[in-house]
Amino acid sequence: QVQLVESGGGVVQPGGSLRLSCATSGFAFTDYSMHWVRQAPGKGLEWVSIVSYDESQKYYSASVGGRFRISRDNSKDTHYLQMNGLRPEDTALYYCAAARNAAWHNFDFWGQGTLVTVSS
Amino acid sequence: TLTQPASVSGSPGQSITISCTGTSTDVGGYNFVSWYQQNPGKAPKLIIYDVNNRPSGVSDRFSGSKSGNTASLTISGLRAEDEADFYCSSWTSTSAFYVFGTGTQVTVL
Repeated sequence: QVQLVESGGGVVQPGGSLRLSCATSGFAFTDYSMHWVRQAPGKGLEWVSIVSYDESQKYYSASVGGRFRISRDNSKDTHYLQMNGLRPEDTALYYCAAARNAAWHNFDFWGQGTLVTVSS
Repeated sequence: TLTQPASVSGSPGQSITISCTGTSTDVGGYNFVSWYQQNPGKAPKLIIYDVNNRPSGVSDRFSGSKSGNTASLTISGLRAEDEADFYCSSWTSTSAFYVFGTGTQVTVL
């Protein structure tokens, strides 16, 4: 049974930092590249970042580039999103999603999300 | 961002179609369009990939197509359980990498 479980969300002041984690099970982790996708309250989906299976490639949306850093630990079947310099507009439910290495554009599996609230 | 109608409705048993309009740098340029169903309070679920393919376990009432810069999702034999938000997505050759549609709320009358 495929499972993706996000954690690490919470309330943080503007300018603060958080580290999100996405622990996975039920599939071959290294057969998949891993995304973060976010959804602001009552809004649509927004792609945030992707890390390839071997961490050789990492890409970010323009809205988070330079502030967020994605990584993964294949020994733990887990990937991470380090978020620095948080802004109120980063407030959202953050989902992790898995995409087969040959098809990064298809978000095959999703977690249930972890909520990040940036507020003073 | 890809453009979708905000809402589409239909009666049980009917067919509805949701459009997803992009440009030649995303929908029109590549067969990398996917569709996701998001039930209230739940995570999105992949229902169509690579324009017109269904993952294992997804109902064959869902089908996808593309013409030019517009992709479409058709739900046939509409059921009450199909009430959800639907999003399209595409890879893009711009520095944005991946774009989602604005989302469509489906209502079963």
